[in-house]
Amino acid sequence: GENVEQHPSTLSVQEGDSAVIKCTYSDSASNYFPWYKQELGKRPQLIIDIRSNVGEKKDQRIAVTLNKTAKHFSLHITETQPEDSAVYFCAAPYSGGYQKVTFGTGTKLQVIP
Amino acid sequence: GAGVSQSPRYKVAKRGQDVALRCDPISGHVSLFWYQQALGQGPEFLTYFQNEAQLDKSGLPSDRFFAERPEGSVSTLKIQRTQQEDSAVYLCASVGGSSYNSPLHFGNGTRLTVT
Repeated sequence: GENVEQHPSTLSVQEGDSAVIKCTYSDSASNYFPWYKQELGKRPQLIIDIRSNVGEKKDQRIAVTLNKTAKHFSLHITETQPEDSAVYFCAAPYSGGYQKVTFGTGTKLQVIP
Repeated sequence: GAGVSQSPRYKVAKRGQDVALRCDPISGHVSLFWYQQALGQGPEFLTYFQNEAQLDKSGLPSDRFFAERPEGSVSTLKIQRTQQEDSAVYLCASVGGSSYNSPLHFGNGTRLTVT
């Protein structure tokens, strides 16, 4: 199965600064990497994903980069705002031919106003 | 409804009691997943359905856990003889696309507390 490691576990940044969260995975066959945001007491929600045929994807203030050789991918949030405060989970697919994913342990991001 | 619906939102059970957690996926979604999320951790896979067929139950922690989706829509996760270690948030997710890189749509979860 897939093994996903995520760092850091907590991250505090000043409002307006950038935040970077990194994940590594074990299965070289994996080719889809979603990121989920979970606010306190709420459901995880997909914020961005990347497929292995590209190295970077951007959506406004968030971007994800992928290095398939090194088997790691990162979430970048620029110009952070207080509403970005949440727990972020990376995920990678389990090589079973369907949509099962293995999640990282999460990064609690705190944006200080 | 517009999203995945789970009930109850909160459940407190005494150790040894049986509980049943319900998931109503997005209409038309073929794939349905159950995940367990312990406090401060990422969701851990429990089981997967494609329509009414349970194709993967490798994540169920013991034979006290049982899931079903008899008509290919609503699913129920049942835990028998609950133990304190079963305390967690149980998340249900459905998937709309057929490709394996389709995102999961999660419900708000059921927070189970076993006393």
